[in-house]
Amino acid sequence: QSVLTQPPSVSGNPGQRVTISCSGTDSNIGRDFVCWYQQLPGAAPKLLIYRDNQRSSGVPDRFSGSHSGTSASLAISGLRSEDEAEYYCVVWDASLRGYVFGTGTKVTVL
Amino acid sequence: EVQLVESGGGLVQPGGSLRLSCASFEFSASSHWMHWVRQAPGKGLEWVARINPDFEGSVTDYADSVRGRFVISRDTAKNTLYLQLSSLRADDTAVYYCSGNTFGGPRDYWGQGTLVSVSS
Repeated sequence: QSVLTQPPSVSGNPGQRVTISCSGTDSNIGRDFVCWYQQLPGAAPKLLIYRDNQRSSGVPDRFSGSHSGTSASLAISGLRSEDEAEYYCVVWDASLRGYVFGTGTKVTVL
Repeated sequence: EVQLVESGGGLVQPGGSLRLSCASFEFSASSHWMHWVRQAPGKGLEWVARINPDFEGSVTDYADSVRGRFVISRDTAKNTLYLQLSSLRADDTAVYYCSGNTFGGPRDYWGQGTLVSVSS
C-alpha cells in the first residue's frame, strides 16, 4: 500500500472549487517537491503540477498546488466536466530510495 | 514530435521472464532520467525503476517490490530503454509505462503502456 494518503473521491458542481489532499511523512513530502498527475481512463498520466506549485506547460491556471510540512494539496477551481479523472500526487522518498505515488483520488463533476 | 513507444508485453507464466522495450523518438533517452511506472488493473500508479542520464555514470533505483527481480537498462545507440522482468508473480500483472524527464521539471513524456499478464 502507498505511503502517501489521498481521499478516495471528491466531487463538486461545475464552477465550484475542490481540493485534494496528499498526506505523507518526513521522509517524503516533508523533504522534497511534490508533483501532481491527472489520469483519464485508458490513458497515460499527464503532468499537471511540478515542484509543489508550478504548472506544466498548457495546464490551465484553474489548477494550483501547495505544500506545507508533510502534506500537499491540489486545488481545482471553476470545475469543468473534463476535469473528471483520477489524480495522483508523487514524491521521492528518501527512506525507501524511490518515488511513491499517492493512493489516487477520483474527481467527479456532478 | 516526441514519442515513447513500449513493446514486449504479453502473457507469461509465474516464475517466467520478459523484456520490455521503450523506443524513444525525438527525445534522447540517454540524456534524461528515464523511468518505468506500472498500473495493475483497476489500481493506482506504482513507480518501478529509474536510470540516470548516461553522462552521470550508471545509477539505477528500484521499488522494493521489484528489487532483485527487475533490471532497468538502456541502449544509447538505439535510443531505447529496457526493463528485464524475472521471477514474475501474479501481482506483477499491470500496464507498464516508460517515461522520460519525469517528476522533476516542467515537461515529461510518457508512452502508451504495454500490458504484462502473469498467469498460469
